[in-house]
Amino acid sequence: GNSVTQMEGPVTLSEEAFLTINCTYTATGYPSLFWYVQYPGEGLQLLLKATKADDKGSNKGFEATYRKETTSFHLEKGSVQVSDSAVYFCALSVLGGATNKLIFGTGTLLAVQP
Amino acid sequence: NAGVTQTPKFQVLKTGQSMTLQCAQDMNHEYMSWYRQDPGMGLRLIHYSVGAGITDQGEVPNGYNVSRSTTEDFPLRLLSAAPSQTSVYFCASKPRREASYEQYFGPGTRLTVT
Repeated sequence: GNSVTQMEGPVTLSEEAFLTINCTYTATGYPSLFWYVQYPGEGLQLLLKATKADDKGSNKGFEATYRKETTSFHLEKGSVQVSDSAVYFCALSVLGGATNKLIFGTGTLLAVQP
Repeated sequence: NAGVTQTPKFQVLKTGQSMTLQCAQDMNHEYMSWYRQDPGMGLRLIHYSVGAGITDQGEVPNGYNVSRSTTEDFPLRLLSAAPSQTSVYFCASKPRREASYEQYFGPGTRLTVT
C-alpha cells in the first residue's frame, strides 16, 4: 500500500542552523509529493510540492527533491529562523481507483531557538 | 475570497450527542475532504467528495456521515458522539481530483467529547 515515513521530532535548532527533515515513501504508481506546514493554532498550508522524479520543489528558502531511486523527499533549509517553528508534514497523493487521497506522515515538530 | 472556512472553531459534546461540523469553500473546487488529526498519527481521511452529489468513504469513516448538495458546502455529521472522536477536524478542498493539485485546508475544529 501507499505510506509515508518521516523522522520523528521534536527537532530543536538554533537560529541560522541547517535543517533536514527526512521523508521516505512507499507508493504504487507515480505519486505527487508534498510538504505541508502547520503553524501553532492554524490549519495546514502547502509549503512545496513535486509531481515527478527529479523535480525540486522550493518555497521560502525550503527545498525538497523528488528522488525516485531512494523513494525520498527530504526537506532542507540552509538557515532556519524562529518564525519557521511549526509542524512539518510530508504527504503523497497517487491518482488511482476512486480514492486519490492525500496520505500524510505523522509530522515533525521543529522548534527554532533564538 | 475567504478560501476554506469551518465552523465552529471549538466544540464540547457529551457522549451520545450529535452535531454537524460545517465546511464551505468559495473557490469553486470540485474535490472536498474531511480529515481528523490525532497526536502521533498525522491526518487521516474520513470522507471525501469529487463533486456535488458524490461522496465516498476514506480510511476512518465509522461514526461520521457527509453529504454534498452544493459545490460550496461539505458538512460532516457526527451521529452519536464518542470519546474516541475527540480530535481536531480539518476540511480541505482542491480544484480537481488529480493527484498533482494541492489541497487547501480550513483552520480546523477542535472537538472534545466527554
